[in-house]
Amino acid sequence: EAGVTQSPTHLIKTRGQQATLRCSPISGHTSVYWYQQALGLGLQFLLWYDEGEERNRGNFPPRFSGRQFPNYSSELNVNALELEDSALYLCASSWGDRSNQPQHFGDGTRLSIL
Amino acid sequence: KNEVEQSPQNLTAQEGEFITINCSYSVGISALHWLQQHPGGGIVSLFMLSSGKKKHGRLIATINIQEKHSSLHITASHPRDSAVYICAVSGSGGGADGLTFGKGTHLIIQP
Repeated sequence: EAGVTQSPTHLIKTRGQQATLRCSPISGHTSVYWYQQALGLGLQFLLWYDEGEERNRGNFPPRFSGRQFPNYSSELNVNALELEDSALYLCASSWGDRSNQPQHFGDGTRLSIL
Repeated sequence: KNEVEQSPQNLTAQEGEFITINCSYSVGISALHWLQQHPGGGIVSLFMLSSGKKKHGRLIATINIQEKHSSLHITASHPRDSAVYICAVSGSGGGADGLTFGKGTHLIIQP
C-alpha cells in the first residue's frame, strides 16, 4: 500500500510569489490535513479537508488556502509569500472524519522563501 | 485550546538504557498520538491511544486520562532510536480538528 505522497520535495520561491504544494493520501482515506513546521515554532495545524470540503483551519491568514479534489488528493496554496513562510509543510491523511483515527504523514515539502 | 507539554526537551543516553519521555495536556481529549520524526523531516506515527497501554516491539506507551498524562518508554535503546519524539492530541469534540503538538523531545542514543 502506497503511503502519503507529497510533491515537490523542495520548493524555492521569492517574496510575493505564490506556492502550490500537493498531497496524495493513502488509498481509501478521505481526510487530508496540512501542517506547518517552521523553525523554532514546532508543528502547527493549518487546514483539514474531508470529502472535498474544508472542515477546519488553524490560526493562519487567508492567504493560506487549499482544496481537495474528488479523488481526495489535496493542494495547499500560499499566496503573497513572506519570509516567515519558510517551513516544512506536512500532509497527513486518515480514514473518516473522527478524531480517534490515526493520521499517516507524508515526508513533507520544504518551502524556502528568498 | 489544548496545551501540550513534553519533557525532557533534550535527552542523551547510552545504548541499552531505558528511556522515558513524558507528555501532559490541559484539556480532555479523544486520543493521544506519539510520533517519531527523523532528521529528514518525515513523521512516523508510533501509537494512538485513548486509554491504558500499548506496546510495539521495544516501545511502550501509556496514558492516564484522569491525570491528563502520557509516557513513551523505549527499552534497550539503540542508536537508531535517535530522533525527535512528538506528543500530539486530538480534540474531544468528536470531529477531527487537527492535532495539537508538543514541542518534541530530541533523543540521542550514543553507542
